[in-house]
Amino acid sequence: DIQMTQSPSSLSASVGDRVTITCQASQDISNYLNWYQQKPGKAPKLLIYDASNLETGVPSRFSGSGSGTDFTFTISSLQPEDIATYYCQQYDNLPQTFGQGTKLEIK
Amino acid sequence: QVQLQESGPGLVKPSQTLSLTCTVSGGSISSGSYYWSWIRQPAGKGLEWIGRIYTSGSTNYNPSLKSRVTISVDTSKNQFSLKLSSVTAADTAVYYCARTTSVVVIAFDYWGQGTLVTVSS
Repeated sequence: DIQMTQSPSSLSASVGDRVTITCQASQDISNYLNWYQQKPGKAPKLLIYDASNLETGVPSRFSGSGSGTDFTFTISSLQPEDIATYYCQQYDNLPQTFGQGTKLEIK
Repeated sequence: QVQLQESGPGLVKPSQTLSLTCTVSGGSISSGSYYWSWIRQPAGKGLEWIGRIYTSGSTNYNPSLKSRVTISVDTSKNQFSLKLSSVTAADTAVYYCARTTSVVVIAFDYWGQGTLVTVSS
């Protein structure tokens, strides 16, 4: 299985801050990487697909970049409603695997 | 707007079989090129992909669960189902059904709200 390692595991930031989360794959996955947001008690929501493509309806403050083994997810200006846990997911190989998550909190 | 809804027992005894159904509305499960997946999440933990079925009925399973998992589809009812046999407490989790955007971009764009299944005697 391809291991996906996210960092940090948790993050505290202020409203308006630029927030960056990284995801590292244990092998080259090209750009087959997606990002999700999960709020407590809710299903995950797709934000970014294929590393850098914004899902329809997702605010433009969210962005993604990277290819190969190293990927970055960025919120350009943190909003209160962005408090959630964020997951990366690879689909280069089966089984599809997720990162362990990054819990984002307001400072 | 596609919607998915999981249903099934919330409590399963150890060694028994967990059975869940995902009902799809707002579109036909047999139209288009989509994978229909099951994903689970133990309390306070991350997401684990269990397996998927294509509209043709072909399946793929997570090797870690493959010996215990069966995913099937009933196009007449617009449903797909999960069976997980010989369950233990480690199978206690919220179970989600989800659709992928296509067979090219494997991103989960539609999800059910999730259903908690507890394995306990």
